[in-house]
Amino acid sequence: RKEVEQDPGPFNVPEGATVAFNCTYSNSASQSFFWYRQDCRKEPKLLMSVYSSGNEDGRFTAQLNRASQYISLLIRDSKLSDSATYLCVVNQGGSEKLVFGKGTKLTVNP
Amino acid sequence: NAGVTQTPKFQVLKTGQSMTLQCAQDMNHNSMYWYRQDPGMGLRLIYYSASEGTTDKGEVPNGYNVSRLNKREFSLRLESAAPSQTSVYFCASSDGWGQSYEQYFGPGTRLTVT
Repeated sequence: RKEVEQDPGPFNVPEGATVAFNCTYSNSASQSFFWYRQDCRKEPKLLMSVYSSGNEDGRFTAQLNRASQYISLLIRDSKLSDSATYLCVVNQGGSEKLVFGKGTKLTVNP
Repeated sequence: NAGVTQTPKFQVLKTGQSMTLQCAQDMNHNSMYWYRQDPGMGLRLIYYSASEGTTDKGEVPNGYNVSRLNKREFSLRLESAAPSQTSVYFCASSDGWGQSYEQYFGPGTRLTVT
């Protein structure tokens, strides 16, 4: 099983839609969880950290289920500017090294 | 506050040539990383440095060397470039303390080896 697995996508949604991305990780000792966003031909940028209690930042909601080793990202009322690749990221258990999923590409259409 | 900077942005090399990719951060971070990103492969760690004076291999270190020159700078050297090293290279840094492991990336270097 790969360390971090994501929906391969791509996702094509209309503006205003709600879209959810899922991710599973294999190392139960992982402690830090993130979603990064990467625009075409640009560097990955931190979108949000994911906490056990779940957290929200505007239209974005992240959830963590440690028992199932599952992370999700929900985007509500999607905008054209949300078009990007979303990377699920987890630290290697006991380490500061991060493991990146291959990403899910989202295209929001007018 | 520039964050993480990388030079050059683009480079074309012939097989067998050498070059050094430069990276610097101004966030006073302890840890620095070099990744490569290839289509369909995601980001893969080449080398990292947890502190000044230390370096360790990542997932794909073969064909590369690194130097942590000081706290700010971390360079990646290709001694004899091969076409398989055609990729986008990203440098990143993180504070590395406690559970604050989020990393911040530079803009990348697009390298083509012919």
